Amino acid sequence: DAKTTQPPSMDCAEGRAANLPCNHSTISGNEYVYWYRQIHSQGPQYIIHGLKNNETNEMASLIITEDRKSSTLILPHATLRDTAVYYCIVRVADSGGYQKVTFGTGTKLQVIP
Amino acid sequence: DAGVTQSPTHLIKTRGQQVTLRCSPKSGHDTVSWYQQALGQGPQFIFQYYEEEERQRGNFPDRFSGHQFPNYSSELNVNALLLGDSALYLCASNRGLAGVSSYEQYFGPGTRLTVT
Repeated sequence: DAKTTQPPSMDCAEGRAANLPCNHSTISGNEYVYWYRQIHSQGPQYIIHGLKNNETNEMASLIITEDRKSSTLILPHATLRDTAVYYCIVRVADSGGYQKVTFGTGTKLQVIP
Repeated sequence: DAGVTQSPTHLIKTRGQQVTLRCSPKSGHDTVSWYQQALGQGPQFIFQYYEEEERQRGNFPDRFSGHQFPNYSSELNVNALLLGDSALYLCASNRGLAGVSSYEQYFGPGTRLTVT
């Protein structure tokens, strides 16, 4: 699986958009970009994933560059509850859909009142 | 709909002992993965079970073993505990063969293991 690079920490004012970048310059054509977050003392929570098109769900938006070497997770209106460590992961599922997920150290997002 | 559940929540063991951790997957899920998360680090993949067989394995020694039961629940066993095994152990489940859009893994709250 491709390696990802994320800033170790970021701050965001409450109510503002939080834009979390991720570099995955060695991503392969069949690898997806996934984002998870982990709130203190809880298990990671799936947020969103995409291949090449931008994606949006009720939690966030995912913007993937045209060359797919980087992506940005956008939380449109950050709240204090969004304070967490955010993990960007790229992976491909082998035949049968088995998953082997490699987490890095993520970005610690602090939402400030 | 219950999500992924794990037991126990916390556990304290002594070096050299053995431990068994348990996981029940989210309803409708048939694949279970285990992760070890040391303090300040991201989760590290241990192994994955599907159809009661180990399908994938990370870089963990044979002291780490597992099992999946016919009801899809799973156990993680660690023998000859070392101080370095102290960590949060996470279980995650997903639908193994349901296609790309179902590759979302749902994680349990974890078991905090302390080895003294």
